[in-house]
Amino acid sequence: QVQLQESGPALVKPSETLSLTCTLSGGSISSFYWSWIRQPPGKGLEWIGYIYYSGSSNYDPSLKSRVTISLDTSKNQFSLKLTSVTAADTAVYYCARQNSGTTWDAFDIWGQGTMVTVPS
Amino acid sequence: SSELTQDPAVSVALGQTVRITCQGDSLRTSYASWYQQKPGQAPVLVIYARNNRPSGIPDRFSDSSSGNTASLTITGAQAEDEADYYCNSRDSSGNPVVFGGGTKLTVL
Repeated sequence: QVQLQESGPALVKPSETLSLTCTLSGGSISSFYWSWIRQPPGKGLEWIGYIYYSGSSNYDPSLKSRVTISLDTSKNQFSLKLTSVTAADTAVYYCARQNSGTTWDAFDIWGQGTMVTVPS
Repeated sequence: SSELTQDPAVSVALGQTVRITCQGDSLRTSYASWYQQKPGQAPVLVIYARNNRPSGIPDRFSDSSSGNTASLTITGAQAEDEADYYCNSRDSSGNPVVFGGGTKLTVL
């Protein structure tokens, strides 16, 4: 059974860098797209970006200047770095497997999510 | 447009049929996927690629689309279907992925 688990600090100071890691178990990271998605308290889902197993990546335009997603195939992990955080970056951060076809994308496996707070 | 619009809240009587809609220009060229999220839990994929259900998702969940609107239909809603529902699709205006704002479903 494929599972994802996020890890990282629960509290990040303003202007610092948020760093999270997602570990895949029960499968190989050497296929599919791997995404980060966040959900501010009481709000909807926001896609942050993805990395393909080949190493190519794509990010939400509104976050692109601050985001880096990287891949470590030897550890079956992928990571998120978000720089210059503010209170607006407070959210539950999810990692997810993105399955894609010619005309569709679906996040079929999700981590349990990790709450990250940036105090104001 | 890079937006998907959902009604904020919908209610349905127990055992009845409810439709949750998702509107956006991107749906003219790509299929919506649908997610169910219960409080304190991660979202769960319920429909993808035009009416495909992952293993374990009941067949009372179905999808249809027309023009710029995708619809998630729950036929015979159960109490356990009470949740937030989100759609997403591929966006053609430079943003690869876009989510709708979510619909809170109440089962009465």
